Amino acid sequence: DFEMTQSPSSLSASVGDRVTINCRASQSISRHLNWYQQKPGRAPKLLIYAASNLQSGVPSRFSGGGSGTDFTLTISNLQREDFATYYCQQSYSASEITFGQGTRLEIK
Amino acid sequence: QVQLQESGPGLVRPSETLSLTCNVSGDSISRYYWSWIRQSPGKGLEWIGYVYHTGSTKYNPSLKSRVTMSVDSSKNQVSLHLISVTTADTAVYFCTALFWYQQAFNWFDPWGQGTLVTVSS
Repeated sequence: DFEMTQSPSSLSASVGDRVTINCRASQSISRHLNWYQQKPGRAPKLLIYAASNLQSGVPSRFSGGGSGTDFTLTISNLQREDFATYYCQQSYSASEITFGQGTRLEIK
Repeated sequence: QVQLQESGPGLVRPSETLSLTCNVSGDSISRYYWSWIRQSPGKGLEWIGYVYHTGSTKYNPSLKSRVTMSVDSSKNQVSLHLISVTTADTAVYFCTALFWYQQAFNWFDPWGQGTLVTVSS
């Protein structure tokens, strides 16, 4: 099993802050890690693929890092539209694609 | 830019079959793998499986015995069938393209808006 664990489960921050969301895999997944943003009532949106590559059209204040089992999603200079739920997803095992449980980012 | 639109019944009775269709537009259906992902109310994301236009499939082991996916290239449609549903299958079901890069990395993009399916008698 490729279990993905995100921390924290929820996070409060203010506009302009820098926040980091963590994602840990139960076993090494190299750099096969993607990040998605989901707003209420909407479909998830791809932000970062292959651990650190910014999807086209995504603001540069989003960045991803890590490899192996530990990964991060960092948002610099938080904007109001960034308050959402974020999910990591491993793609190392194509026969067992799994997501983290999500991190809810709320306005302080 | 590929666009996806899910459709199907919003209510399914327990023990019956959930059937959804995803209409694909804006690109060739043979270019991507197609996946279904669901989200139970207030919960996280669960990958259901993916299908290629050749008929090749891969399903979540936890759902494998109940799931069938297919591609109809003539209609530009992807289908999902889930048999013997229970209330635990109540969720928003998303259709999404599974993009592969260098036969190694892959990610889900774009996504349909999702459709809520409620299992209830």
